[in-house]
Amino acid sequence: QVQLQESGPGLVKPSETLSLTCSVSGGSVSSASDYWSWIRQPPGKGLEWIGYIYYTGSTRYNPSLRSRVIISLDTSKNQFSLKLTSVTAADTAVYYCARSSHYTGPWGQGIMVTVSS
Amino acid sequence: QSVLTQPPSVSAAPGQKVTISCSGSSSNIASNYVSWYQQLPGTAPKLLIYDNNHRPSGIPDRFSGSKSGTSATLDITGLQTGDEADYYCGTWDSSLTTVVFGGGTKLTVL
Repeated sequence: QVQLQESGPGLVKPSETLSLTCSVSGGSVSSASDYWSWIRQPPGKGLEWIGYIYYTGSTRYNPSLRSRVIISLDTSKNQFSLKLTSVTAADTAVYYCARSSHYTGPWGQGIMVTVSS
Repeated sequence: QSVLTQPPSVSAAPGQKVTISCSGSSSNIASNYVSWYQQLPGTAPKLLIYDNNHRPSGIPDRFSGSKSGTSATLDITGLQTGDEADYYCGTWDSSLTTVVFGGGTKLTVL
Protein backbone atom coordinates (compact mmCIF):
# COMPACT_ATOMS: atom_id res chain seq x y z
CA GLN A 1 0.00 0.00 0.00
CA VAL A 2 1.05 3.61 -0.53
CA GLN A 3 3.11 5.15 2.25
CA LEU A 4 4.34 8.73 2.54
CA GLN A 5 7.09 10.24 4.68
CA GLU A 6 7.83 13.92 5.20
CA SER A 7 11.35 15.21 5.74
CA GLY A 8 13.02 18.57 6.23
CA PRO A 9 14.14 21.02 8.88
CA GLY A 10 12.04 21.38 12.00
CA LEU A 11 13.08 24.98 12.61
CA VAL A 12 12.96 27.87 10.14
CA LYS A 13 13.79 31.52 10.78
CA PRO A 14 11.22 34.24 10.10
CA SER A 15 11.32 35.63 6.53
CA GLU A 16 13.16 32.55 5.26
CA THR A 17 11.86 29.70 3.09
CA LEU A 18 10.36 26.51 4.49
CA SER A 19 11.33 23.48 2.38
CA LEU A 20 9.90 20.00 2.86
CA THR A 21 10.05 16.78 0.85
CA CYS A 22 7.60 13.89 0.76
CA SER A 23 8.91 10.45 -0.19
CA VAL A 24 6.37 8.06 -1.64
CA SER A 25 6.64 4.27 -1.48
CA GLY A 26 4.25 1.58 -2.68
CA GLY A 27 2.95 3.94 -5.35
CA SER A 28 4.14 6.36 -8.01
CA VAL A 29 3.95 10.13 -8.19
CA SER A 30 3.68 9.54 -11.94
CA SER A 31 0.28 7.89 -11.51
CA ALA A 32 -2.41 9.51 -13.65
CA SER A 33 -5.08 8.72 -11.05
CA ASP A 34 -3.62 10.60 -8.11
CA TYR A 35 -2.84 14.10 -6.94
CA TRP A 36 -0.22 14.76 -4.26
CA SER A 37 -1.11 17.20 -1.52
CA TRP A 38 0.35 19.21 1.30
CA ILE A 39 -1.85 20.01 4.31
CA ARG A 40 -0.89 21.73 7.55
CA GLN A 41 -2.25 21.90 11.09
CA PRO A 42 -1.21 24.69 13.49
CA PRO A 43 -0.87 23.57 17.11
CA GLY A 44 -4.29 22.94 18.63
CA LYS A 45 -6.11 23.95 15.44
CA GLY A 46 -7.75 22.37 12.42
CA LEU A 47 -6.55 21.27 9.01
CA GLU A 48 -5.60 23.68 6.22
CA TRP A 49 -5.05 22.46 2.66
CA ILE A 50 -1.99 24.06 1.09
CA GLY A 51 -2.15 22.68 -2.42
CA TYR A 52 -1.54 19.72 -4.70
CA ILE A 53 0.39 18.66 -7.78
CA TYR A 54 -0.56 16.28 -10.57
CA TYR A 55 1.85 13.97 -12.42
CA THR A 56 1.90 16.40 -15.34
CA GLY A 57 3.32 19.05 -13.03
CA SER A 58 0.06 20.94 -12.95
CA THR A 59 -0.57 22.55 -9.56
CA ARG A 60 -3.39 24.11 -7.60
CA TYR A 61 -2.88 26.14 -4.46
CA ASN A 62 -4.96 27.50 -1.61
CA PRO A 63 -5.64 31.11 -2.65
CA SER A 64 -4.67 32.31 0.82
CA LEU A 65 -1.13 30.94 0.33
CA ARG A 66 -0.74 31.03 -3.45
CA SER A 67 1.70 33.94 -3.56
CA ARG A 68 4.16 32.12 -1.27
CA VAL A 69 3.83 28.43 -2.24
CA ILE A 70 5.54 26.21 -4.78
CA ILE A 71 4.88 22.46 -4.99
CA SER A 72 7.09 20.44 -7.31
CA LEU A 73 7.62 16.83 -8.41
CA ASP A 74 10.76 14.72 -8.70
CA THR A 75 9.66 11.61 -10.56
CA SER A 76 13.18 10.14 -10.59
CA LYS A 77 13.12 9.98 -6.79
CA ASN A 78 9.36 9.39 -6.47
CA GLN A 79 9.08 12.50 -4.32
CA PHE A 80 7.26 15.79 -4.24
CA SER A 81 8.22 18.94 -2.39
CA LEU A 82 6.86 22.05 -0.75
CA LYS A 83 8.44 25.48 -0.60
CA LEU A 84 6.79 28.23 1.44
CA THR A 85 8.52 31.60 1.27
CA SER A 86 8.65 34.55 3.67
CA VAL A 87 7.49 32.51 6.64
CA THR A 88 6.22 34.01 9.89
CA ALA A 89 5.23 32.55 13.25
CA ALA A 90 1.76 31.96 11.78
CA ASP A 91 3.28 29.26 9.56
CA THR A 92 4.27 27.17 12.58
CA ALA A 93 2.41 23.89 12.15
CA VAL A 94 2.56 20.17 11.57
CA TYR A 95 2.91 19.70 7.82
CA TYR A 96 1.44 16.58 6.24
CA CYS A 97 1.85 15.18 2.76
CA ALA A 98 -0.86 12.94 1.36
CA ARG A 99 -2.28 11.34 -1.73
CA SER A 100 -5.43 12.97 -3.04
CA SER A 101 -8.22 12.24 -5.49
CA HIS A 102 -11.88 12.54 -4.43
CA TYR A 103 -10.48 12.31 -0.92
CA THR A 104 -7.19 12.64 0.92
CA GLY A 105 -5.38 9.53 2.02
CA PRO A 106 -3.16 7.97 2.99
CA TRP A 107 -1.34 10.67 4.94
CA GLY A 108 2.25 10.85 6.05
CA GLN A 109 2.99 10.94 9.76
CA GLY A 110 3.57 14.69 9.66
CA ILE A 111 6.52 16.91 10.50
CA MET A 112 6.43 19.73 13.02
CA VAL A 113 7.92 22.96 11.66
CA THR A 114 8.50 25.87 14.01
CA VAL A 115 9.18 29.37 12.73
CA SER A 116 11.38 31.16 15.23
CA SER A 117 14.60 33.12 15.36
CA GLN B 1 -13.39 30.28 10.51
CA SER B 2 -13.87 27.12 8.45
CA VAL B 3 -15.92 26.89 5.25
CA LEU B 4 -17.53 23.69 6.56
CA THR B 5 -19.21 23.89 9.96
CA GLN B 6 -18.93 21.11 12.51
CA PRO B 7 -19.91 21.06 16.19
CA PRO B 8 -16.78 21.60 18.33
CA SER B 9 -17.53 18.59 20.50
CA VAL B 10 -19.87 15.64 20.97
CA SER B 11 -20.01 13.00 23.65
CA ALA B 12 -21.77 9.74 24.37
CA ALA B 13 -21.40 6.65 26.50
CA PRO B 14 -19.68 3.44 25.41
CA GLY B 15 -21.95 1.31 23.24
CA GLN B 16 -24.10 4.26 22.24
CA LYS B 17 -24.40 6.04 18.89
CA VAL B 18 -23.17 9.51 18.04
CA THR B 19 -23.78 11.70 15.02
CA ILE B 20 -21.39 14.38 13.78
CA SER B 21 -22.74 16.94 11.35
CA CYS B 22 -20.94 18.89 8.65
CA SER B 23 -22.72 21.87 7.10
CA GLY B 24 -21.62 23.54 3.89
CA SER B 25 -23.06 25.14 0.79
CA SER B 26 -24.01 24.60 -2.84
CA SER B 27 -20.42 25.14 -3.95
CA ASN B 28 -18.92 22.44 -1.76
CA ILE B 29 -20.93 19.66 -0.11
CA ALA B 30 -23.93 19.89 -2.42
CA SER B 31 -21.87 19.42 -5.57
CA ASN B 32 -18.85 17.35 -4.54
CA TYR B 33 -17.96 14.16 -2.70
CA VAL B 34 -17.53 14.37 1.07
CA SER B 35 -14.89 12.52 3.04
CA TRP B 36 -14.34 12.06 6.78
CA TYR B 37 -11.11 11.75 8.72
CA GLN B 38 -10.28 10.45 12.18
CA GLN B 39 -7.34 11.98 14.05
CA LEU B 40 -6.39 10.10 17.19
CA PRO B 41 -4.39 12.13 19.74
CA GLY B 42 -0.86 12.83 18.54
CA THR B 43 -1.29 11.09 15.19
CA ALA B 44 -1.93 11.99 11.56
CA PRO B 45 -5.49 12.07 10.20
CA LYS B 46 -6.75 8.81 8.75
CA LEU B 47 -9.33 8.43 6.00
CA LEU B 48 -12.56 7.08 7.51
CA ILE B 49 -15.20 7.64 4.82
CA TYR B 50 -14.81 8.62 1.18
CA ASP B 51 -17.22 9.52 -1.62
CA ASN B 52 -19.94 10.38 0.94
CA ASN B 53 -20.57 6.87 2.26
CA HIS B 54 -17.78 4.43 1.36
CA ARG B 55 -15.43 2.88 3.88
CA PRO B 56 -11.81 2.09 3.02
CA SER B 57 -10.65 -1.43 3.67
CA GLY B 58 -10.16 -2.02 7.38
CA ILE B 59 -12.64 0.57 8.62
CA PRO B 60 -15.36 -1.10 10.73
CA ASP B 61 -18.97 -0.82 9.63
CA ARG B 62 -19.68 0.97 12.91
CA PHE B 63 -18.65 4.06 10.94
CA SER B 64 -21.04 5.30 8.25
CA GLY B 65 -21.49 8.48 6.26
CA SER B 66 -24.33 10.16 4.43
CA LYS B 67 -25.03 13.35 2.55
CA SER B 68 -28.14 15.34 1.84
CA GLY B 69 -28.10 18.68 0.07
CA THR B 70 -25.58 20.99 1.70
CA SER B 71 -24.97 18.79 4.76
CA ALA B 72 -23.17 15.57 5.54
CA THR B 73 -23.25 13.30 8.56
CA LEU B 74 -20.92 10.81 10.17
CA ASP B 75 -22.54 8.18 12.37
CA ILE B 76 -20.58 6.06 14.81
CA THR B 77 -22.39 3.19 16.51
CA GLY B 78 -21.29 0.89 19.30
CA LEU B 79 -18.95 3.57 20.66
CA GLN B 80 -15.64 2.43 22.12
CA THR B 81 -13.15 4.37 24.23
CA GLY B 82 -10.70 3.96 21.38
CA ASP B 83 -12.97 6.10 19.20
CA GLU B 84 -12.04 9.20 21.21
CA ALA B 85 -10.50 11.46 18.57
CA ASP B 86 -11.00 14.55 16.47
CA TYR B 87 -13.14 14.04 13.38
CA TYR B 88 -12.95 16.22 10.28
CA CYS B 89 -15.13 16.43 7.19
CA GLY B 90 -13.63 17.53 3.89
CA THR B 91 -14.61 18.22 0.31
CA TRP B 92 -13.75 20.32 -2.74
CA ASP B 93 -15.16 23.82 -3.02
CA SER B 94 -15.91 24.65 -6.64
CA SER B 95 -16.08 28.40 -6.04
CA LEU B 96 -12.94 28.72 -3.93
CA THR B 97 -11.20 26.03 -6.05
CA THR B 98 -9.64 24.56 -2.97
CA VAL B 99 -10.01 21.55 -0.73
CA VAL B 100 -11.90 22.62 2.40
CA PHE B 101 -12.13 21.00 5.80
CA GLY B 102 -14.47 21.43 8.70
CA GLY B 103 -13.11 22.84 11.94
CA GLY B 104 -13.13 19.41 13.54
CA THR B 105 -15.27 17.74 16.20
CA LYS B 106 -13.80 16.29 19.37
CA LEU B 107 -15.51 13.06 20.34
CA THR B 108 -15.50 12.10 24.01
CA VAL B 109 -16.63 8.63 25.03
CA LEU B 110 -17.79 9.06 28.60
